[in-house]
Amino acid sequence: KAGVTQTPRYLIKTRGQQVTLSCSPISGHRSVSWYQQTPGQGLQFLFEYFSETQRNKGNFPGRFSGRQFSNSRSEMNVSTLELGDSALYLCASSRGEGSAYNEQFFGPGTRLTVL
Amino acid sequence: ILNVEQSPQSLHVQEGDSTNFTCSFPSSNFYALHWYRWETAKSPEALFVMTLNGDEKKKGRISATLNTKEGYSYLYIKGSQPEDSATYLCAFLGTDKLIFGTGTRLQVFP
Repeated sequence: KAGVTQTPRYLIKTRGQQVTLSCSPISGHRSVSWYQQTPGQGLQFLFEYFSETQRNKGNFPGRFSGRQFSNSRSEMNVSTLELGDSALYLCASSRGEGSAYNEQFFGPGTRLTVL
Repeated sequence: ILNVEQSPQSLHVQEGDSTNFTCSFPSSNFYALHWYRWETAKSPEALFVMTLNGDEKKKGRISATLNTKEGYSYLYIKGSQPEDSATYLCAFLGTDKLIFGTGTRLQVFP
């Protein structure tokens, strides 16, 4: 069974631009969560989606948004990029609803650099 | 603000040594506690999801215990091997989202 895939793996953008990251969960997993990791910080929760609905959202500004499609694939968008958005963005999928009760399977991440 | 703290921040041990580290979390509104292993250049890998006070889980040489009343979990590695070198993360589910600690970085020297 294929694991969680994320595209692109690396991305360089400039301040003010916007970016879209993609995540394909493990087949059969309907829950997708997104996390940001910056140097010195733990993984910070961004959002969780289940069956195309956002179930939870972390403490991030409105520039961060996401969505989930009917095939469970998810995208994350960051508009008006700032230098501080440079980070590793990870997505994770899990079976069923309420991903936090089930083990999560992480993708390899997208490394975003904002210049 | 809910804090999840892990100690120590980093640890260096010799191959064959046994080791353990701690995850501290709020003792109220507990729903679940996750442990993950994150090797460099790889994705975080789930080790355990623990939900009950007194839970003990084991996977090979790695085991974990949970005390929800006092708000801590221990992760033990018996007979550490170089391939155990990784960052070990815990994550607390208090309401509706996982809050991760900053991890314990373990280095096992041959």
